[in-house]
Amino acid sequence: GAGVSQSPRYKVTKRGQDVALRCDPISGHVSLYWYRQALGQGPEFLTYFNYEAQQDKSGLPNDRFSAERPEGSISTLTIQRTEQRDSAMYRCASSLERGGEQYFGPGTRLTVT
Amino acid sequence: QKEVEQDPGPLSVPEGAIVSLNCTYSNSAFQYFMWYRQYSRKGPELLMYTYSSGNKEDGRFTAQVDKSSKYISLFIRDSQPSDSATYLCAMSTSYNTDKLIFGTGTRLQVFP
Repeated sequence: GAGVSQSPRYKVTKRGQDVALRCDPISGHVSLYWYRQALGQGPEFLTYFNYEAQQDKSGLPNDRFSAERPEGSISTLTIQRTEQRDSAMYRCASSLERGGEQYFGPGTRLTVT
Repeated sequence: QKEVEQDPGPLSVPEGAIVSLNCTYSNSAFQYFMWYRQYSRKGPELLMYTYSSGNKEDGRFTAQVDKSSKYISLFIRDSQPSDSATYLCAMSTSYNTDKLIFGTGTRLQVFP
């Protein structure tokens, strides 16, 4: 079956622009997670959802970052007024149940120029 | 100090060698311990999952957790060139099992 998909795979944007990154979890998966992974580093937790409810957003770096999952399926991570330090790989993961094995998507490589 | 420390490597070994990968951590509340494998340009995939202390074996892979020392290990026996990847440890607490804290990853190269 299809795994976690993310779009776009690559995004180049100018500093100050807003970007929206999309995650389509595995069908039927209850929980959805967002991570950021810098080159040579492990994924860094940003936020997660159970169904449509955002359970923990303690990892969001500042209020320019927000995420939603309005119908408990697809999720969007939005970064407003992007800065160069936002450049990274943004990864999404989903799990069948809360606390379950997390399946990662291919990521969106964001470059802010 | 990071919550989870992992030597970034790279670690280069010949085919057939036994590989030992390690992580240390500082948060005594961590109860769940995982090892992920990440191939170049791919997302991490779960290899091993262990709760609390002890050993777990799966084929050529053995995961060990020593909570008294706050130290976890992954052993790979009879390593193969296809094992060449970055290995990430990850941990979570019992009160927030969904929030995984990852190490930096160790890059492993197995040469024929």
